[in-house]
Amino acid sequence: DAKTTQPPSMDCAEGRAANLPCNHSTISGNEYVYWYRQIHSQGPQYIIHGLKNNETNEMASLIITEDRKSSTLILPHATLRDTAVYYCIVRERKAAGNKLTFGGGTRVLVKP
Amino acid sequence: GAGVSQSPSNKVTEKGKDVELRCDPISGHTALYWYRQSLGQGLEFLIYFQGNSAPDKSGLPSDRFSAERTGGSVSTLTIQRTQQEDSAVYLCASSLSGQVLSNQPQHFGDGTRLSIL
Repeated sequence: DAKTTQPPSMDCAEGRAANLPCNHSTISGNEYVYWYRQIHSQGPQYIIHGLKNNETNEMASLIITEDRKSSTLILPHATLRDTAVYYCIVRERKAAGNKLTFGGGTRVLVKP
Repeated sequence: GAGVSQSPSNKVTEKGKDVELRCDPISGHTALYWYRQSLGQGLEFLIYFQGNSAPDKSGLPSDRFSAERTGGSVSTLTIQRTQQEDSAVYLCASSLSGQVLSNQPQHFGDGTRLSIL
């Protein structure tokens, strides 16, 4: 299974864009990149996912490099409520069902 | 629309008692997962249901743990003779499909915080 590497923490100013990097150099061709976040005392929240093209939804944008070895989640205008742990996941391709495995994630603190 | 609903949100019980946790998945979602998350830790997969197929129980930590899904919708996770190490947040997730080649994301409930005294 492809592993991911994320910085353990980062700060972001309220109202500014937050760019969260993720390395997944061993990703294989059929594996998708997913992003989730977990706000304190809540369950993980799905944000966005992609295969090779850049994706955008109402929450965020996902930029995947051409070689697919890394990606960046962009929160365009961070708010205090975006403070959370953000997880970059590459979905297991051999397991029965899509078991999710979260690594350490990036603890994002949005400051006023 | 309604998300994944779990109950109770908190459960405190004495060691040795049985507990039952409930999950109501998003309507129409055929795949249902149970995970647990210990304090400050990542997700630990427990069990997975997909439609009418036999569940994948490979993550259940002991035979004290069991789960069922009735009518392809609501699921209950049962822990018998609870131990202190069972204390954790138990999370349920559902998705439109659990097929390996599907890219459908999982949507989580807020979990049941279980504390064993």
